[in-house]
Amino acid sequence: SQKIEQNSEALNIQEGKTATLTCNYTNYSPAYLQWYRQDPGRGPVFLLLIRENEKEKRKERLKVTFDTTLKQSLFHITASQPADSATYLCARDAGNNRKLIWGLGTSLAVNP
Amino acid sequence: DAMVIQNPRYQVTQFGKPVTLSCSQTLNHNVMYWYQQKSSQAPKLLFHYYDKDFNNEADTPDNFQSRRPNTSFCFLDIRSPGLGDAAMYLCATSRGTGVTGELFFGEGSRLTVL
Repeated sequence: SQKIEQNSEALNIQEGKTATLTCNYTNYSPAYLQWYRQDPGRGPVFLLLIRENEKEKRKERLKVTFDTTLKQSLFHITASQPADSATYLCARDAGNNRKLIWGLGTSLAVNP
Repeated sequence: DAMVIQNPRYQVTQFGKPVTLSCSQTLNHNVMYWYQQKSSQAPKLLFHYYDKDFNNEADTPDNFQSRRPNTSFCFLDIRSPGLGDAAMYLCATSRGTGVTGELFFGEGSRLTVL
């Protein structure tokens, strides 16, 4: 069955540096991968989607890559700020339009 | 403006006492989902509606039921909450068409079972 694996260890970085989070998937390549941000006690918020045929996607300080050879997506936050501290969830399609398979998320702490 | 609204944000109940959580949306999306999320875990899909078509996950306990009386509203009923049902319950919507399936979540309802 398809799985999503994200770094289980929390990532601590200094303000201004680039944060890089990893999402690995198993089995066949997903049609797309999605990234969400989740703050404690709140629902996830959609950030970016990247399709199988796209290598890279950007939105402001965010960048997502998709490497079908490595079966991996990388999520980058450039010029990180303490306000970027949150858990970041990766999700892939489950083979239909309506379900997602989720990773456990990676906790990011940006220190001032 | 909030687009997916969940009530209540916090619910405390006693073991075995039924609970209903509500979700409303202003996005006019076809699909509505209920997820359960426990601390440091991924969201777990309980069920979803595509319009009025109900889709239950195979491992969702019978203790969990849902109703969608119209496009805008969806309810999660927990008939006899156990201690293991304490969690954050997340409602989400999506357009249901196209291939992307981006989800719009509410703020969640935190359930405590005493």
